[in-house]
Amino acid sequence: GAVVSQHPSRVICKSGTSVKIECRSLDFQATTMFWYRQFPKKSLMLMATSNEGSKATYEQGVEKDKFLINHASLTLSTLTVTSAHPEDSSFYICSATRRLVPETQYFGPGTRLLVL
Amino acid sequence: AQKVTQAQTEISVVEKEDVTLDCVYETRDTTYYLFWYKQPPSGELVFLIRRNSFDEQNEISGRYSWNFQKSTSSFNFTITASQVVDSAVYFCALIMTTDSWGKLQFGAGTQVVVTP
Repeated sequence: GAVVSQHPSRVICKSGTSVKIECRSLDFQATTMFWYRQFPKKSLMLMATSNEGSKATYEQGVEKDKFLINHASLTLSTLTVTSAHPEDSSFYICSATRRLVPETQYFGPGTRLLVL
Repeated sequence: AQKVTQAQTEISVVEKEDVTLDCVYETRDTTYYLFWYKQPPSGELVFLIRRNSFDEQNEISGRYSWNFQKSTSSFNFTITASQVVDSAVYFCALIMTTDSWGKLQFGAGTQVVVTP
């Protein structure tokens, strides 16, 4: 199956700093990438949909100025958590799909963010 | 409104017992996709199955089997002869096609604990 990577896998940062998480599709062109957030013992919640070359579409309740998403190429999307606070600590997972096949999503391994 | 309901929060079984995970979904679309994912403690989502709404055939893959019943809007998952390695959180998910196309809607997840 297709491979999606995320970097870093784990990050610890101080409150007030910004953190960038990368999501890469390694062997296919991902026209759409999704970003999910998962709190401990909870389900995955979609944060935003990112289409290559256009602005991301955020789900209701997700602060677009807090969570900056960029999808500059067909193989890379980035999520930047700006001015991170302890409540932003979470597990962030991306998925990638090919054009016209959104029912097939390939998930990255996730990034654990801990904000102190 | 909850689109995917997994009523079982946690199921504990002894190795070699069978375990069935329930999933009830809600959609008005005639075309939709249902999924099961496994999330072991590492956090990485493991794809198990995808089923489209026009294919009600039950499926068996090794010790895994799925029962899709549109009449009751259910897509249940059974692990036969469970093993310790089956311990994980299992998510049922739905993609609708008319609204939120491509967006995976996850259930709350069911924690399966298999003890030796």
